[in-house]
Amino acid sequence: GAGVSQSPRYKVAKRGQDVALRCDPISGHVSLFWYQQALGQGPEFLTYFQNEAQLDKSGLPSDRFFAERPEGSVSTLKIQRTQQEDSAVYLCASSQRADNSPLHFGNGTRLTVT
Amino acid sequence: DQQVKQNSPSLSVQEGRISILNCDYTNSMFDYFLWYKKYPAEGPTFLISISSIKDKNEDGRFTVFLNKSAKHLSLHIVPSQPGDSAVYFCAASALYNNDMRFGAGTRLTVKP
Repeated sequence: GAGVSQSPRYKVAKRGQDVALRCDPISGHVSLFWYQQALGQGPEFLTYFQNEAQLDKSGLPSDRFFAERPEGSVSTLKIQRTQQEDSAVYLCASSQRADNSPLHFGNGTRLTVT
Repeated sequence: DQQVKQNSPSLSVQEGRISILNCDYTNSMFDYFLWYKKYPAEGPTFLISISSIKDKNEDGRFTVFLNKSAKHLSLHIVPSQPGDSAVYFCAASALYNNDMRFGAGTRLTVKP
């Protein structure tokens, strides 16, 4: 497909479990972003990659959150020891250039921590 | 910190009339502004953008207006159609930092 692909679409985790969320950006897109969207809110910035370099991780809420993009393409967002407040939709987006340009979003992963 | 604010959580208009969605921002470093549209269970889809060197950008039925002195932008949809019913997010970014900030969204309902 031509769009941003995220998997899984839904994830239910017991509190304390680790989860890994995957993002396949549009081929050739330089920039990759992770956002967290709580119910009724807009997407909140988590972290940004330019190719394989993580240039900004200021939005990660705690050291339980970790993101990587080792080859500058696929990215994984990992959440360790999940807590109930981590329940949200996690959106991945990519853009063609490093400067300002529209982001192309995936459909997100809805994480529910029980 | 809410750097981008959409103060109206919802808006309802009649088909064929104009829809006006509003957005305010606080960070004077923002110089690129966008509107996204989101349907349920899908990610946001880019709709229209404007850079700070302009005060208006038009694309078909959609027009975005930017008032830099008031730190305000708006999206006009005319004529509104039932298929426009969705949540609309305003977003902003600054050239020095490529992370985009989003408002909380406005749910637009266009009634036939």
